[in-house]
Amino acid sequence: DQQVKQNSPSLSVQEGRISILNCDYTNSMFDYFLWYKKYPAEGPTFLISISSIKDKNEDGRFTVFLNKSAKHLSLHIVPSQPGDSAVYFCAARFTGRRALTFGSGTRLQVQP
Amino acid sequence: DAMVIQNPRYQVTQFGKPVTLSCSQTLNHNVMYWYQQKSSQAPKLLFHYYDKDFNNEADTPDNFQSRRPNTSFCFLDIRSPGLGDAAMYLCATSRDAGVSEKLFFGSGTQLSVL
Repeated sequence: DQQVKQNSPSLSVQEGRISILNCDYTNSMFDYFLWYKKYPAEGPTFLISISSIKDKNEDGRFTVFLNKSAKHLSLHIVPSQPGDSAVYFCAARFTGRRALTFGSGTRLQVQP
Repeated sequence: DAMVIQNPRYQVTQFGKPVTLSCSQTLNHNVMYWYQQKSSQAPKLLFHYYDKDFNNEADTPDNFQSRRPNTSFCFLDIRSPGLGDAAMYLCATSRDAGVSEKLFFGSGTQLSVL
């Protein structure tokens, strides 16, 4: 049973516009969430994270929002750039567990 | 640069022929993980080591084994690969410093089973 779900396999946006990537989770024990970015032929690299005690975390063009009551988080990229084209994975962890549980990823294509 | 290195990048094996994938790290991290990722699916944790302490996931098949001879190296052994074991295998590391700790990934080994 998938505890972290990314229901949109792909997303296409125009350069300069906002990209919104969504993630839902089912395990209420999760208390830390991360986004990873993956280019072809490379491993996933950390992008941004958020603790469950916060509802927003911002780092430059990237902002992650967390809605605990809805068990939903989203990654906003503003403005989107062609170099942002990659697969984005949502991941979650709960205190006491070292490993991350991943979603299946969303492929973002930013059109010039 | 400190990093996680996986070799080989591509591995082809025959059905039932044992295969070993390797991972090394220069980050000096306590924890090393092996994830399996099949096409368009979520990376799935197989097991991890905390130092020399092996932690298996409940649903990892017995066909998958791992060794960690020292801090820097970790191996994934598939004793009798089946067609369903064809996947990308990702090695990752982390410190063991709490819930906010990030994982650092290698580039992965793409395994094909003929």
